[in-house]
Amino acid sequence: ILNVEQSPQSLHVQEGDSTNFTCSFPSSNFYALHWYRWETAKSPEALFVMTLNGDEKKKGRISATLNTKEGYSYLYIKGSQPEDSATYLCASLGQAGTALIFGKGTTLSVSS
Amino acid sequence: DVKVTQSSRYLVKRTGEKVFLECVQDMDHENMFWYRQDPGLGLRLIYFSYDVKMKEKGDIPEGYSVSREKKERFSLILESASTNQTSMYLCASSLGQLVNTEAFFGQGTRLTVV
Repeated sequence: ILNVEQSPQSLHVQEGDSTNFTCSFPSSNFYALHWYRWETAKSPEALFVMTLNGDEKKKGRISATLNTKEGYSYLYIKGSQPEDSATYLCASLGQAGTALIFGKGTTLSVSS
Repeated sequence: DVKVTQSSRYLVKRTGEKVFLECVQDMDHENMFWYRQDPGLGLRLIYFSYDVKMKEKGDIPEGYSVSREKKERFSLILESASTNQTSMYLCASSLGQLVNTEAFFGQGTRLTVV
């Protein structure tokens, strides 16, 4: 079973703080790395799909980087807002590149 | 917008019952997935399907089966529900390979087995 690890498990920051989370995954047989945001009472929504070593993607105040050789990805949130409060999931493609295997997630709480 | 709809938000079933969780997507996606989410364990893959009548076991298929008779519908079946199957169940779908595209999720079904 492919093992995807996320840290920290949870995080509490003040509005305006910048923060980052880590996702580690096996670097062998790498296909793609996904990031999702899951807000309470909603469905998980995709943030990024990343495939290339050195890839950097950005969506508003959120960005992500990918290192496939060492098997990690960072998610950055600049100037956190209360609406950023959610669980952030990363997932790597397992099962010969056919299905996503998720980490346990990082739960972010932003206080105003 | 892609819509993935799960038939129930909340279900309460008795131990030993046969339970059907239904998932429908409206965007002609080839791939569909069932996950369960438990506190401290994250999302775990139960089964997935990449075509009609095709199915593949995920990481935790024991106690479950699936059915995909039509492209838009993927059903998860608990043959004989047990209390350790109390969980949040999430369905997802994707168009093509997940190397190039994202998965779209339903709103989840919180199942309680008593």
